Amino acid sequence: DAKTTQPNSMESNEEEPVHLPCNHSTISGTDYIHWYRQLPSQGPEYVIHGLTSNVNNRMASLAIAEDRKSSTLILHRATLRDAAVYYCILYMNSGGYQKVTFGIGTKLQVIP
Amino acid sequence: SQTIHQWPATLVQPVGSPLSLECTVEGTSNPNLYWYRQAAGRGLQLLFYSVGIGQISSEVPQNLSASRPQDRQFILSSKKLLLSDSGFYLCAWRGTANNSPLHFGNGTRLTVT
Repeated sequence: DAKTTQPNSMESNEEEPVHLPCNHSTISGTDYIHWYRQLPSQGPEYVIHGLTSNVNNRMASLAIAEDRKSSTLILHRATLRDAAVYYCILYMNSGGYQKVTFGIGTKLQVIP
Repeated sequence: SQTIHQWPATLVQPVGSPLSLECTVEGTSNPNLYWYRQAAGRGLQLLFYSVGIGQISSEVPQNLSASRPQDRQFILSSKKLLLSDSGFYLCAWRGTANNSPLHFGNGTRLTVT
C-alpha cells in the first residue's frame, strides 16, 4: 500500500505562509493526493486534492512534484484558526473499492 | 445538499456491554461509507468501509462489526466492549468518483469504564 510521510509537528507565525510537506514515494499513477485537517474534537475536513497539476482553492494551494513523489500544502497566510492536524493521504484502489487510510499527520501550531 | 448524521455524540459504557453507533447520510445515493476510530492523541484508524448495501470490508477490529442495512445507513456494533475500545468514532461518506472527498460526521466520543 502506498504510504505518506509527514513531519509530526510544525510551527508558524500568524500572518505568515506555511508550507506543509508530504512524501509519498510509492505513489501509483492513479492515486489522488488529498489533504484534510482536523480541529480539536472534530472530524477531519477536506482541504484540497490533486493528481498531477498544482491546485488552488479558497483554503489553500497544493503543489505536486513533477515525479509525484512529494507534495506541499501551502497556507498563504496562517491564522490562529488554521491550528490543526493536517493529513496528507492517498486514495488507494483496493479490489475495486477505495480504501482511505490516514497517517498521524502534522500538528500545526500557529503563534500569534 | 448532502448531510451526515452520527449519534450519540458522547457515550459512557461499562466493559462487557454492547455497542451500537448509527450513521446516516442524506442527499446522496450509493455513497461509499467508512468507520474510523481515533484513540486519544493518535491518528485515525480505518475500521470498516462499504461500497454498497450488505458489502462490508473489515480492516482491523476483532470485537467490532459493521452493517449496512440500507443504502445510506451504516451501523457500528460490538457485543462486548473492551477498555481498549474507548476513543473517538467517526463516520464518513464519499461519492464513487475516484477523486471524491470524504465528508465526516461530528463523531461519537466513547468511554468504556
